[in-house]
Amino acid sequence: NAGVMQNPRHLVRRRGQEARLRCSPMKGHSHVYWYRQLPEEGLKFMVYLQKENIIDESGMPKERFSAEFPKEGPSILRIQQVVRGDSAAYFCASSPTGTPSYNEQFFGPGTRLTVL
Amino acid sequence: DQQVKQNSPSLSVQEGRISILNCDYTNSMFDYFLWYKKYPAEGPTFLISISSIKDKNEDGRFTVFLNKSAKHLSLHIVPSQPGDSAVYFCAASAGLAGANNLFFGTGTRLTVIP
Repeated sequence: NAGVMQNPRHLVRRRGQEARLRCSPMKGHSHVYWYRQLPEEGLKFMVYLQKENIIDESGMPKERFSAEFPKEGPSILRIQQVVRGDSAAYFCASSPTGTPSYNEQFFGPGTRLTVL
Repeated sequence: DQQVKQNSPSLSVQEGRISILNCDYTNSMFDYFLWYKKYPAEGPTFLISISSIKDKNEDGRFTVFLNKSAKHLSLHIVPSQPGDSAVYFCAASAGLAGANNLFFGTGTRLTVIP
């Protein structure tokens, strides 16, 4: 049973370009979460999605960031017009159906985004 | 606003001794707490959790203690092993309040010296 998959593992973009980060949850998991970890900090929640629905995006920056979890395929975190401050590790997590807050979330290996 | 705090950025312990990692929180709505372990270049791995209705949960060498009145929890690892060397994150959730996400501390880097 494969764990949470994220790709790419490393992504380098120049300022102003777009970054697309992909996440495939564990089999049987329908809840997906995106977190960002800036250097020397803990993980910070960005967005929580279920299939075709954004449930909670309270941690998402208001501009340039968007997320989706289509009926088919992986969840995508999209960052438009990247800036140097977007450089961070982006982690995706998934949890099974039920009450997400009482289930441990299983994390992927992360995508390390570097903006030049 | 850091609602979950890990005030010790690092901890070194001799192999075989006890490791105690501490975590404090400020939000009284938190009712579920978790510890994650993270190796470099990997995602966090779930270690152990505790519900606010308990004050202790044990799983092998790992025990988590919760002191709700002090808003404090700790992770005890005994005996510590070199393979335990990693960054440990404390996380909390306010499920009863309808929160969907985990709030993480900044992590404590544990080094177990052989």
